[in-house]
Amino acid sequence: EDQVTQSPEALRLQEGESSSLNCSYTVSGLRGLFWYRQDPGKGPEFLFTLYSAGEEKEKERLKATLTKKESFLHITAPKPEDSATYLCAAPESSTLGRLYFGRGTQLTVWP
Amino acid sequence: DAGVIQSPRHEVTEMGQEVTLRCKPISGHDYLFWYRQTMMRGLELLIYFNNNVPIDDSGMPEDRFSAKMPNASFSTLKIQPSEPRDSAVYFCASSKKEKLFFGSGTQLSVL
Repeated sequence: EDQVTQSPEALRLQEGESSSLNCSYTVSGLRGLFWYRQDPGKGPEFLFTLYSAGEEKEKERLKATLTKKESFLHITAPKPEDSATYLCAAPESSTLGRLYFGRGTQLTVWP
Repeated sequence: DAGVIQSPRHEVTEMGQEVTLRCKPISGHDYLFWYRQTMMRGLELLIYFNNNVPIDDSGMPEDRFSAKMPNASFSTLKIQPSEPRDSAVYFCASSKKEKLFFGSGTQLSVL
């Protein structure tokens, strides 16, 4: 069964303390791996799409990487405003529509 | 663009009542998705449309749930009769390609 698993469930970092979030997937014939950010009371907001192993994308303090089995979201020198839940998702092998979301990592960055 | 607009933001109802959730997608987007988010199950795809046509409703939990998209700018998700286990945040999302844009969600509480 296709599945997306994220770890850790929650992560607390001090401002400036870099770390990584993990997303492992078992979706066959992967057609992209997506990262979203969700703030409390809001819908997920798109961050990145990765399509092939070895690909990397960056946005401010965030960098997403992809291997054949997992993806990492690296957070460098985080700030309190980076606090949010980070979700990864992978589409069903044959269609755009069915996205399998992980349960997310709730990141808290304290000053 | 105002983004994906959902209404109401909050809905409290009693078991057995009919509930209708509404969504206005981003103009020009040809895919529309309904998701449900709970602490227990995370984000789950209920149904999605392409060019107003339902493509995959396999995520709709029961016959009590129905969704329509009468035109490109409006969709509804109806629950009749509602049950306490339907309590969740319901998100609508739209897309033109692989990047989904989510609304702010409807927080549904069924007492």
